[in-house]
Amino acid sequence: DAGITQSPRHKVTETGTPVTLRCHQTENHRYMYWYRQDPGHGLRLIHYSYGVKDTDKGEVSDGYSVSRSKTEDFLLTLESATSSQTSVYFCAGRRPGSPINEQFFGPGTRLTVL
Amino acid sequence: SQQGEEDPQALSIQEGENATMNCSYKTSINNLQWYRQNSGRGLVHLILIRSNEREKHSGRLRVTLDTSKKSSSLLITASRAADTASYFCATDPQRGSEKLVFGKGTKLTVNP
Repeated sequence: DAGITQSPRHKVTETGTPVTLRCHQTENHRYMYWYRQDPGHGLRLIHYSYGVKDTDKGEVSDGYSVSRSKTEDFLLTLESATSSQTSVYFCAGRRPGSPINEQFFGPGTRLTVL
Repeated sequence: SQQGEEDPQALSIQEGENATMNCSYKTSINNLQWYRQNSGRGLVHLILIRSNEREKHSGRLRVTLDTSKKSSSLLITASRAADTASYFCATDPQRGSEKLVFGKGTKLTVNP
């Protein structure tokens, strides 16, 4: 998975609880991304980062926040989880030093909100 | 909104046959990429075609791009059971954009 790991890989939580998903990379990706994947919707961008402490919103950012305090780690937080946030979450990094936005994906985190 | 839309949503073929998947998009692009996703795994980049290219090959993969029709196709020749996966197109919609826009994918099943 191109040097990108995600933790946890599976999580079950209850509505209203905060949840943090972690993405860790060892390939010096400057740009990193969080997506969610749902049946019938494909991949949708939640937030992305273009450097340490530099982040921006994606297509479906409501209810999510991110932080990037160092290059290696990109955290996704669900401030108060809802059942609609049950999904598979993928982290990705962009190929460093290339003008082409080729992305490398982690293995995903399956989140279930009861 | 989704930029790329793959067609068909699902495709089932026999080993040895060719598989063709199509992608349509809405706005001008810099390039178009195809990714593969095995069940339970992350996406893996397969091939990229730039907006000024019409066709590209990589092993058993052939990608075409028609910018006038805003469409691309991915052909997998002599398919194998191991090609069973979902395939996604992703567009890089504008020069300098940091974001890709993914389609909903085609689920390919290759039967032995």
